[in-house]
Amino acid sequence: DSGVTQTPKHLITATGQRVTLRCSPRSGDLSVYWYQQSLDQGLQFLIQYYNGEERAKGNILERFSAQQFPDLHSELNLSSLELGDSALYFCASSVGSSGGINEQFFGPGTRLTVL
Amino acid sequence: SQQGEEDPQALSIQEGENATMNCSYKTSINNLQWYRQNSGRGLVHLILIRSNEREKHSGRLRVTLDTSKKSSSLLITASRAADTASYFCATVSSGSARQLTFGSGTQLTVLP
Repeated sequence: DSGVTQTPKHLITATGQRVTLRCSPRSGDLSVYWYQQSLDQGLQFLIQYYNGEERAKGNILERFSAQQFPDLHSELNLSSLELGDSALYFCASSVGSSGGINEQFFGPGTRLTVL
Repeated sequence: SQQGEEDPQALSIQEGENATMNCSYKTSINNLQWYRQNSGRGLVHLILIRSNEREKHSGRLRVTLDTSKKSSSLLITASRAADTASYFCATVSSGSARQLTFGSGTQLTVLP
């Protein structure tokens, strides 16, 4: 158990809909990262927040947005969903602000299915 | 986009044998990390090797890094059925974008 929690575990929705994925980092970790894992794109970094502020952006679509709240939990919002958004979405956390320097601890993921 | 490419894509061995997975990457790196993922679950960090290191050990794991060839290998000795998982290398570039870029992974199956 990494100490990172994600809800929900599974999400099934229809095209055009909007969903919110939630992540709670490990106690004491200030950084939260979001990743998308799909069969065709592999594991891709989406976005990082550090202590409430956006820190780095990866391959995140404009239809997707995220935020980190004062209690450090984070939400990833996916809107105007398309079939191709079906994937596993992982959240990870780390102590420091530099994504690749500190070890990242991954949550169990949310499996999103868009029908 | 993926920076690292793992080789082989899939590997099947008997319990007790050694497993070697390779990772090649394209740009200069600050460090390279290996992660394990059990089927459909979260990733677990295994080991980090910095660009100025050539070899690192952790238990039954041995990682090497050759920056001149832009490649790394992960060796798991005396494999166990519980080692069955996907293994990913992830690079951190030496530029300002200090984020993880994952490879495509190697699916390791250890047969009892």
